[in-house]
Amino acid sequence: DGGITQSPKYLFRKEGQNVTLSCEQNLNHDAMYWYRQDPGQGLRLIYYSQIVNDFQKGDIAEGYSVSREKKESFPLTVTSAQKNPTAFYLCASSISGEVTEAFFGQGTRLTVV
Amino acid sequence: KQEVTQIPAALSVPEGENLVLNCSFTDSAIYNLQWFRQDPGKGLTSLLLIQSSQREQTSGRLNASLDKSSGRSTLYIAASQPGDSATYLCAATDSWGKFQFGAGTQVVVTP
Repeated sequence: DGGITQSPKYLFRKEGQNVTLSCEQNLNHDAMYWYRQDPGQGLRLIYYSQIVNDFQKGDIAEGYSVSREKKESFPLTVTSAQKNPTAFYLCASSISGEVTEAFFGQGTRLTVV
Repeated sequence: KQEVTQIPAALSVPEGENLVLNCSFTDSAIYNLQWFRQDPGKGLTSLLLIQSSQREQTSGRLNASLDKSSGRSTLYIAASQPGDSATYLCAATDSWGKFQFGAGTQVVVTP
C-alpha cells in the first residue's frame, strides 16, 4: 500500500529533552512537509522540502530541525528550545509541480510532561 | 501573505440536509485549492482538488467550486449522513508548493 507513515502515534517527552518524529513515504513524492496543529487552529507549516538535501523554514520553524537525506524520509526533531511543543504533528507529501495534491500521514501527538 | 478563512467554525444539521461549507482566501494567485476531511485524532484525508484553471470538481455526493476572482471556494455535500460528521479543512497552494490552511469547519450531522 502506498502512503505516508508517521511514528510513533503518541509520544511523551520530558522538558529539556529533544525528540525526533519519523515520517516515511513510498509515494515517490519529491516534496515533504511538517505541520503543527493546535486545538481550534488551522495547520501551521514548520518546515518543507522540495528535493533531497534541501529544505526551507516555514512559518513556525523556531525550536525545530529537519533533515532530508533520502527522498522517502523527512524526520522532524523537536528541540528543547521549542517553548510549547505539546501539539499534534502532521507530515505530508506531494508531487512537485503545478498539480500539487497533498497526502497526509496519521499524525503524532506529542505531549511534554 | 495568503490568509485562508473558513466560516462557520461549526455547523450542525439533521441527516438528509445538504451541507454548504465556505472557504475564502486573500491572494487569488493560487495554484490549487484542496479540500480535506479530518476525523478526531486522525490525519487529513484528501476529498477534492481543484486546479486554478478549473471551476469545480465532483466526487460522489461532494462538489467543490472555485471562484478565484472573488477568492472563494465552496464545498457542497448532498444528502448529509451521520458519517459525514468531521472537521473539513481547505488549503490554498501557492507557486512554491506551500499549502495555507483554514482553521476548519466542524460538522455534526444528527440522525
